Amino acid sequence: SQQGEEDPQALSIQEGENATMNCSYKTSINNLQWYRQNSGRGLVHLILIRSNEREKHSGRLRVTLDTSKKSSSLLITASRAADTASYFCATDAGNSGGSNYKLTFGKGTLLTVNP
Amino acid sequence: DTGVSQNPRHKITKRGQNVTFRCDPISEHNRLYWYRQTLGQGPEFLTYFQNEAQLEKSRLLSDRFSAERPKGSFSTLEIQRTEQGDSAMYLCASSLKPAGEQFFGPGTRLTVL
Repeated sequence: SQQGEEDPQALSIQEGENATMNCSYKTSINNLQWYRQNSGRGLVHLILIRSNEREKHSGRLRVTLDTSKKSSSLLITASRAADTASYFCATDAGNSGGSNYKLTFGKGTLLTVNP
Repeated sequence: DTGVSQNPRHKITKRGQNVTFRCDPISEHNRLYWYRQTLGQGPEFLTYFQNEAQLEKSRLLSDRFSAERPKGSFSTLEIQRTEQGDSAMYLCASSLKPAGEQFFGPGTRLTVL
């Protein structure tokens, strides 16, 4: 079953604009990871934020985590056409209940950056 | 290339045939996961190995599915008597730490006719 839900399902912006995607989840987590997937390809790991962290940066990416609201956001600044892809959040519930750190994904946000 | 590799990249088969996929994780990673992704959905967990031991299987993994990881290195996923509903992208991921990043391979896209 899918735990996370990304919002919006699709987002279309112009090159140079910022893109914000949100993720909500249902159960307590150990960490939350964001991935990018280009059409029909494997997933590329973008950033991992642990449950005791509130914000993390990596290049043009900024991720926030609010465990009280069970939500996260991914901000891509100064977007480029090459950022066009699907973006997924994935939660890791740790080893509680024997979950073995497996990831539970949302359905993703399809981002289109127009040149 | 030191990333996760998967073979074949594409597989087309007829209903009722058996198929086997292979995953080679990053060499020092002892944790290996299989996921399945259908069109328009995020990946869903199938099974997990720590070294050679299969420690968890999803309810999605019917008895037609079997996975192995002999010697704790590469892993294989076999589907027997394939059905059209098995058509999906099968993704393999590996990680080094219990709560670390999972690195995904390019996937094997299975089409069952």
